[in-house]
Amino acid sequence: KQEVTQIPAALSVPEGENLVLNCSFTDSAIYNLQWFRQDPGKGLTSLLLIQSSQREQTSGRLNASLDKSSGRSTLYIAASQPGDSATYLCAVPKGGSEKLVFGKGTKLTVNP
Amino acid sequence: EAQVTQNPRYLITVTGKKLTVTCSQNMNHEYMSWYRQDPGLGLRQIYYSMNVEVTDKGDVPEGYKVSRKEKRNFPLILESPSPNQTSLYFCASRPIGGLGYTFGSGTRLTVV
Repeated sequence: KQEVTQIPAALSVPEGENLVLNCSFTDSAIYNLQWFRQDPGKGLTSLLLIQSSQREQTSGRLNASLDKSSGRSTLYIAASQPGDSATYLCAVPKGGSEKLVFGKGTKLTVNP
Repeated sequence: EAQVTQNPRYLITVTGKKLTVTCSQNMNHEYMSWYRQDPGLGLRQIYYSMNVEVTDKGDVPEGYKVSRKEKRNFPLILESPSPNQTSLYFCASRPIGGLGYTFGSGTRLTVV
């Protein structure tokens, strides 16, 4: 059974700080991993998708890495801004199905 | 603009009154899914569809129905809503080929 864990559950940092969000999964037989951002009461915005053959993906100030063998992914946010405040979710497809298994998310607050 | 559109965004209804939440995507995606999000439980899949007329149950299908008569539409039907179906609902779609999901903006449903 695939389980996804995100640590920490909440994180508060001052503006400008570089930070790392962690995601771990129990079944390494995944074909991709997706990071999302969710603003309060809003939908999920896809940030980065890493295929199983890739080690990392970058988009602007965001960099996501994937280590399948250890069952881990990290989302690195450089030079954080108050507008980055949101909940960040990682998700992996459950093997052989169309189900995405989500972590519970990390709630990030960037203080001005 | 490529998107997944859900309607309505907010809905308050009474127990037992049938309702439908619509979902439409304009990206010609084959796969579509419905999720519900609840505090402490995270996102859980309700139903998914791999193409027209092909649907299957997710983790929490009880009390819900879906149909996929056209590729672009995937409505979620609650025949007899109950208060435990009060939740935030998301529709999502993705193309064949291991690419990531695009999510709608969500429907906040309250059943009283």
